[in-house]
This record gives sequence, C-alpha cells and structure tokens, in this order.
Amino acid sequence: DAGITQSPRYKITETGRQVTLMCHQTWSHSYMFWYRQDLGHGLRLIYYSAAADITDKGEVPDGYVVSRSKTENFPLTLESATRSQTSVYFCASQREDTQYFGPGTRLTVL
Amino acid sequence: RKEVEQDPGPFNVPEGATVAFNCTYSNSASQSFFWYRQDCRKEPKLLMSVYSSGNEDGRFTAQLNRASQYISLLIRDSKLSDSATYLCVVEPDTGRRALTFGSGTRLQVQP
Repeated sequence: DAGITQSPRYKITETGRQVTLMCHQTWSHSYMFWYRQDLGHGLRLIYYSAAADITDKGEVPDGYVVSRSKTENFPLTLESATRSQTSVYFCASQREDTQYFGPGTRLTVL
Repeated sequence: RKEVEQDPGPFNVPEGATVAFNCTYSNSASQSFFWYRQDCRKEPKLLMSVYSSGNEDGRFTAQLNRASQYISLLIRDSKLSDSATYLCVVEPDTGRRALTFGSGTRLQVQP
C-alpha cells in the first residue's frame, strides 16, 4: 500500500540548473496536483492534471513545466532553477473529495 | 486580501482544554470546505470535511456559515497528539478540483 511517493525527498541544486521532481501514485486517481509550501503563504497550486495528457496551470506556474504521459506519474520540472524556487513541494492525487499528499520534496536552490 | 485567512497562532493550550479555530474565505461561490492537519515537516492530511449543517467527528466539530463566509473547528478535550498545524481549505467553484489553502493555525497542547 505505497500510495503516493515523491523523489527525491531532499535536493540541493544551483541557480540555472534543471531539476525534475518525481511523483508516483499507485491508486490510478485521475486528478493529480503539484503545490509548493512557503512560510507565510500556505500551499499554493503550481499545476494540476485531470487525466493523462491533460494538464493546466495553477496559481504559480511560472518557471515550472509538467507532463503526464501515464496516469500514475506526474513529474514537475524546474527548467532553470532560481533561489525563489527554494521551497517544499508536495504532490497530491484526489479521490472523491479527498486529496492525498505525498511526503514532499525539500528543494534548496543555491 | 488572501482567499482563505486564518489566525496563524500559535495557540498554546493545556491538555484537556477546548480550543477553537476560525477561518474566513473570500470566494462566495466556493463549494466545498475542509480542515486538513499538518504535522511538523510532514504532508497535510484530511481531518474532516465541513458541511453546512455542521458535523462532528469524536472530539472535533466543524461549522460552516455561508452567509458570513466563515468556517470553524472546535477541538474538545485536547490531547498532546493534537499538536499540529490546522489548515483551512476551500474548493473554489472553478471546475478544477484544486484546493485553496489557508496558511494554517499552529496548535501546541502542553502537558
């Protein structure tokens, strides 16, 4: 019963590098989401996906790219990391009214 | 103005106390309402949904006032294990099924 997993759990990178955060769910939920959590802002939606090959922007999409070729995977790519993207990133999937979150990836951009 | 506003706390209460958290939301068309709990450095988890008629789950009671755009959570007989951050969450009527989170209210229950 793995549920939803994220990798890596911790990542340190440098400004300008490309970084991909992975998200995998075992439930086959249609909806998946990426959020970032920063002090004072709560969780903010970056991108979401209603199904494989269907993605859309959230509140803070700039600097991020997503894809969803398979229902179970929803990777998030930072094309050219900036210090302002230092954050904790949570992936989630949804069944009925409940969103289930992964354990998070703590990303530091130096 | 933030879409979902909460008092950040922290609320420091003794074991056995009753504590109440409040939350306001700005989008009057919002359809669904929740309280999530987040332990330190962990992922958020659904605590309970909030219905217009109010609902109770053990020591936890949630209330919704649509006219005032106000949501509350009451915790009775606080336990040490209740120490966490409580997130007020709203699903706006956008058809996206995405959630809007408040910044959270931190609760510390002390022995």
